[in-house]
Amino acid sequence: RKEVEQDPGPFNVPEGATVAFNCTYSNSASQSFFWYRQDCRKEPKLLMSVYSSGNEDGRFTAQLNRASQYISLLIRDSKLSDSATYLCVVRNGGSQGNLIFGKGTKLSVKP
Amino acid sequence: DAGVTQSPTHLIKTRGQQVTLRCSPKSGHDTVSWYQQALGQGPQFIFQYYEEEERQRGNFPDRFSGHQFPNYSSELNVNALLLGDSALYLCASSLEIEQFFGPGTRLTVL
Repeated sequence: RKEVEQDPGPFNVPEGATVAFNCTYSNSASQSFFWYRQDCRKEPKLLMSVYSSGNEDGRFTAQLNRASQYISLLIRDSKLSDSATYLCVVRNGGSQGNLIFGKGTKLSVKP
Repeated sequence: DAGVTQSPTHLIKTRGQQVTLRCSPKSGHDTVSWYQQALGQGPQFIFQYYEEEERQRGNFPDRFSGHQFPNYSSELNVNALLLGDSALYLCASSLEIEQFFGPGTRLTVL
């Protein structure tokens, strides 16, 4: 079983749609959780960290359920510029532990 | 402030050759991590350098080695290249929690 598993995608949605990405992780000792965004042929960039209490940044909401080892990302009112691959990431060690990436889910937002 | 820089941008090698990739971390960052991203996959951790020593290593063979210099810049060396080593190689630097990625070096092995 892979350490981090994501919806395979791709997700093709119209502008304005709400889209949800799901992710599960296998190591119950994982300590930190993130969503990264990667545009085509570019490097990954941190979208947001994920906390147990849930956190929101504008149109983006991330949730963590430690009991189920489940992470989610919700994008509301999607824009054309949201088209990218979204990577679910966990860190098992301390603050300098290595990042473990999921395979990524590709999102295409169409006009 | 320049972000993480990597060189070269693209590289084409043949099987059996050796390659060296370079990374300059973001100003003030002392930790450099290297990742390999095959097409259609998420990045996979190769190793991490801190204070010129390899601090952590992922599941990669000894053909993959690295170095960190006193100015915190780093090199990734791959010996005896295989076709399967074709990938985007990403360098990430960090000081505390967040890792900042460079644009990557795209390696093609023919």
